[in-house]
Amino acid sequence: KAGVTQTPRYLIKTRGQQVTLSCSPISGHRSVSWYQQTPGQGLQFLFEYFSETQRNKGNFPGRFSGRQFSNSRSEMNVSTLELGDSALYLCASSLTDRGIGELFFGEGSRLTVL
Amino acid sequence: QKEVEQDPGPLSVPEGAIVSLNCTYSNSAFQYFMWYRQYSRKGPELLMYTYSSGNKEDGRFTAQVDKSSKYISLFIRDSQPSDSATYLCAMSFSVGGKLIFGQGTELSVKP
Repeated sequence: KAGVTQTPRYLIKTRGQQVTLSCSPISGHRSVSWYQQTPGQGLQFLFEYFSETQRNKGNFPGRFSGRQFSNSRSEMNVSTLELGDSALYLCASSLTDRGIGELFFGEGSRLTVL
Repeated sequence: QKEVEQDPGPLSVPEGAIVSLNCTYSNSAFQYFMWYRQYSRKGPELLMYTYSSGNKEDGRFTAQVDKSSKYISLFIRDSQPSDSATYLCAMSFSVGGKLIFGQGTELSVKP
């Protein structure tokens, strides 16, 4: 059974640009969450989608947005990139929105903003 | 003050040692407690979860929750070099709710 797939794995952008990251959840999983991981702040929740609806949102500016498609695949977008957006962006999927920590993480997309 | 505090380490122990990893939290509304393990260049993977005070054992791993002290622990017995990773505690307020992670503790088990 394939795990959570995130693309691209690595990318470099410059300040002011925008970026789109993609996540394919485990087959059959309908809930997708996104987290940002940095050395200083650790893992921080961005947002969660279930059946194409955003159910939870973390304390990030509006430059961070996401969406989920009918096949449960999800994308997140960061506009007007800042140096501080350099991080590992992790996507996690779960079978339902009722999972207690039963999140399955991908390997992440490492974004570097120059 | 962060909602969840975890000593980032690094922690280095000899093979076979008992490892104790700890997190404290400030919000008594947390109901669910988890431990994740993250190897270098990989995503976190769930090790254990619990929702009540007390101990939960799984093989060499024991998770302990003390809600009265707002303190959780993970014990690793007979530690192995393959246990070398970053260990993250995580908590949530509700079923299916967002997870609040600790900073993670980097563990190195030396042969």
